[in-house]
Amino acid sequence: AQKITQTQPGMFVQEKEAVTLDCTYDTSDPSYGLFWYKQPSSGEMIFLIYQGSYDQQNATEGRYSLNFQKARKSANLVISASQLGDSAMYFCAMREGLTGNQFYFGTGTSLTVIP
Amino acid sequence: NAGVTQTPKFQVLKTGQSMTLQCAQDMNHEYMSWYRQDPGMGLRLIHYSVGAGITDQGEVPNGYNVSRSTTEDFPLRLLSAAPSQTSVYFCASSFGGQYPGNTIYFGEGSWLTVV
Repeated sequence: AQKITQTQPGMFVQEKEAVTLDCTYDTSDPSYGLFWYKQPSSGEMIFLIYQGSYDQQNATEGRYSLNFQKARKSANLVISASQLGDSAMYFCAMREGLTGNQFYFGTGTSLTVIP
Repeated sequence: NAGVTQTPKFQVLKTGQSMTLQCAQDMNHEYMSWYRQDPGMGLRLIHYSVGAGITDQGEVPNGYNVSRSTTEDFPLRLLSAAPSQTSVYFCASSFGGQYPGNTIYFGEGSWLTVV
């Protein structure tokens, strides 16, 4: 079974609107971390946001927030006030265990921001 | 601010040739890994290392070899290149230990084409 599932291959959003990118995960470990990365067309991977399995509140980093629903095993990324520079691939990833070092990645969602 | 440095950035190989992708990090990270990125497949783990002298296989190790003689360096060797190894390769590193929010730091990627 896939550890990380991203079901939206491509998404479009109007500039200045909010957009949600979906991510579901599968693990039996009670301790895990969830991460989102952005990959612009230049290719580098940029860390955006982290959510720990024991964190009580949803993580936020500027215009990025993570909608963490533990019972549903989902960790959706919300980008508010989209900008043209947000057009990129977005990857959800999971790290199992507090000391685990292996990251499992989803297949990514391509986001296009329309002016 | 070097971070994770991988070379070369672009390479064209003929089938059957061998080559080494170099990776170095200057953050004293224990954990290093190699991923390949293919369209629609996300990032898949090739090999990883939890410290100098220790390596292990990831999800797609066949056709690749690694070694970790120092903390800083983690080269990836293609033993006999095949067209199926045409991909973008990312080296990554992170701290080991028990900080759950440890993110993984990526190099800028190496675009490899096997003809």
